[in-house]
Amino acid sequence: DQQVKQNSPSLSVQEGRISILNCDYTNSMFDYFLWYKKYPAEGPTFLISISSIKDKNEDGRFTVFLNKSAKHLSLHIVPSQPGDSAVYFCAASATGGYNKLIFGAGTRLAVHP
Amino acid sequence: DAGVTQSPTHLIKTRGQQVTLRCSPKSGHDTVSWYQQALGQGPQFIFQYYEEEERQRGNFPDRFSGHQFPNYSSELNVNALLLGDSALYLCASSLGGGLNTGELFFGEGSRLTVL
Repeated sequence: DQQVKQNSPSLSVQEGRISILNCDYTNSMFDYFLWYKKYPAEGPTFLISISSIKDKNEDGRFTVFLNKSAKHLSLHIVPSQPGDSAVYFCAASATGGYNKLIFGAGTRLAVHP
Repeated sequence: DAGVTQSPTHLIKTRGQQVTLRCSPKSGHDTVSWYQQALGQGPQFIFQYYEEEERQRGNFPDRFSGHQFPNYSSELNVNALLLGDSALYLCASSLGGGLNTGELFFGEGSRLTVL
């Protein structure tokens, strides 16, 4: 039972363009959503989060949008840079924070010059 | 300031054996969570330790157990290994257990292969 789904295993984007990574969830009890980035041979690192009381959160080049009615969130990276190439995981929590995170399977982003 | 450190980085075991993985949290952190990441999947929550007790647990059998020491370091033990236990095991540390734990910081993981 996948409660958090990332349906695109991979995404290729040209440098300077926008990268849009999508995530769907099924559990209406989720109230906090996070994006993690993972480089090979490293642990996941926190990127950006959003509470269910908001529909948008922005941090520099990264913006997360939340559509609660559609149970959908997306991560926008503008402009994309080669150093953004990594696996991006969407995660959700029903405890309002970083506890007991439910992760999606990840999307591998490749940003090429 | 050392981050989360895990050992060993790689290990190979055979079915039925037992394994112990170790984690030292980031300096100043008192809470340790363990996640299992199978190939092609996202991390799955195993359990969380705070104040030397298991506070929360995911959907994993009793073969998976853990311990937290007074210095906040932690161990993950898996008994009677199955082929399906082959995965990357990630340790994450944070500050303040229970529902108010802070941001998670992950280690590089221990890759377990069961033959």
